[in-house]
Amino acid sequence: AQSVAQPEDQVNVAEGNPLTVKCTYSVSGNPYLFWYVQYPNRGLQFLLKYITGDNLVKGSYGFEAEFNKSQTSFHLKKPSALVSDSALYFCAVRDPTSGTYKYIFGTGTRLKVLA
Amino acid sequence: KAGVTQTPRYLIKTRGQQVTLSCSPISGHRSVSWYQQTPGQGLQFLFEYFSETQRNKGNFPGRFSGRQFSNSRSEMNVSTLELGDSALYLCASSLASSQNYNEQFFGPGTRLTVL
Repeated sequence: AQSVAQPEDQVNVAEGNPLTVKCTYSVSGNPYLFWYVQYPNRGLQFLLKYITGDNLVKGSYGFEAEFNKSQTSFHLKKPSALVSDSALYFCAVRDPTSGTYKYIFGTGTRLKVLA
Repeated sequence: KAGVTQTPRYLIKTRGQQVTLSCSPISGHRSVSWYQQTPGQGLQFLFEYFSETQRNKGNFPGRFSGRQFSNSRSEMNVSTLELGDSALYLCASSLASSQNYNEQFFGPGTRLTVL
């Protein structure tokens, strides 16, 4: 069965420092992986995705994520955090071999960037 | 291009009532998914529609139902409301492709409160 884990409910980081939001997944095939961000009282916004190819994926707002097949991880990173990055972040996976069309979302990680 | 729209944005109902939520996807998007978001459970998949057909369904009771119209607009219905149905209901649309790696675009959600 497909699953996604975001092991940290909250991550605190000082403005200007690098940030990492962790995500691990479990699928039977090669996954499609996504990161979304949710600001208060808003829907989710797409940040980036990994389909195939280069393990380092660059996305919106200076975010990037690294696909690591051996560790089944897809951690979200940013070299220098901004206060405006404070939001709720969701990792999602889709298994293209599963025969379903479901996205499985993690439980979310709240990022707080401190000024 | 207009984004995903959801109506109404806020709804207050009492236990036992029923409710219908509406979602208009981005023009050209034929896949519409619905999610329930609660603080404790994160994002839970309800169902996904494509070309007026339900392609996938999550683990929700039969009180939760949906449909999609020929113009791709979708509605979801919850009958016999319970207090635990209080949540943010999110609709997401995506381009449908055989590879299924398209990202989803989310609406702002409908905040349902059951008293």
